[in-house]
Amino acid sequence: DAGVIQSPRHEVTEMGQEVTLRCKPISGHDYLFWYRQTMMRGLELLIYFNNNVPIDDSGMPEDRFSAKMPNASFSTLKIQPSEPRDSAVYFCASTQTDSSYEQYFGPGTRLTVT
Amino acid sequence: GQNIDQPTEMTATEGAIVQINCTYQTSGFNGLFWYQQHAGEAPTFLSYNVLDGLEEKGRFSSFLSRSKGYSYLLLKELQMKDSASYLCAVNYGQNFVFGPGTRLSVLP
Repeated sequence: DAGVIQSPRHEVTEMGQEVTLRCKPISGHDYLFWYRQTMMRGLELLIYFNNNVPIDDSGMPEDRFSAKMPNASFSTLKIQPSEPRDSAVYFCASTQTDSSYEQYFGPGTRLTVT
Repeated sequence: GQNIDQPTEMTATEGAIVQINCTYQTSGFNGLFWYQQHAGEAPTFLSYNVLDGLEEKGRFSSFLSRSKGYSYLLLKELQMKDSASYLCAVNYGQNFVFGPGTRLSVLP
């Protein structure tokens, strides 16, 4: 298996622009997580899905952030409009029920908003 | 809140043993994880504890005391490649909370 796939790996954009991050989970995994990691705040859970349904989005910082999972093999995290404070590494992770909840992380997307 | 505390940094010598502690709030606890993260890379799973006691996996072991809200990760026979950050994470039902991580430096 190719593991969790994320794109793009790096994104540089200007403040106010829309940013879309993409994730393909491991085939057969029914949970998908979006995390953000910064030096100041560490690794934070933003939202997670179970069987394509959002379960907990309490970590989404504000209305500028939205996430979708239209099918079992694809999810997006969108920031509109982007701000410099959104600069971080965004990780996607997946896992499956009855696997002791071991989460497999993608390589991450490093986002820089200038 | 659901604060998780870990030491910020630790240093140890190659071949030695190091213990990284993690304390957490016990209310709503459903399980505890340890992840390793090398600089510039994604976290990778090390261990999962849901019951009290010690789980051993090769050079790495993880201990849990649910009543004390305490866990530790024990690394034996340290190698240079073990230099990384170690993240403690707790499953609180529908929420996963990661600790700030402990940066371990292994010196020759």
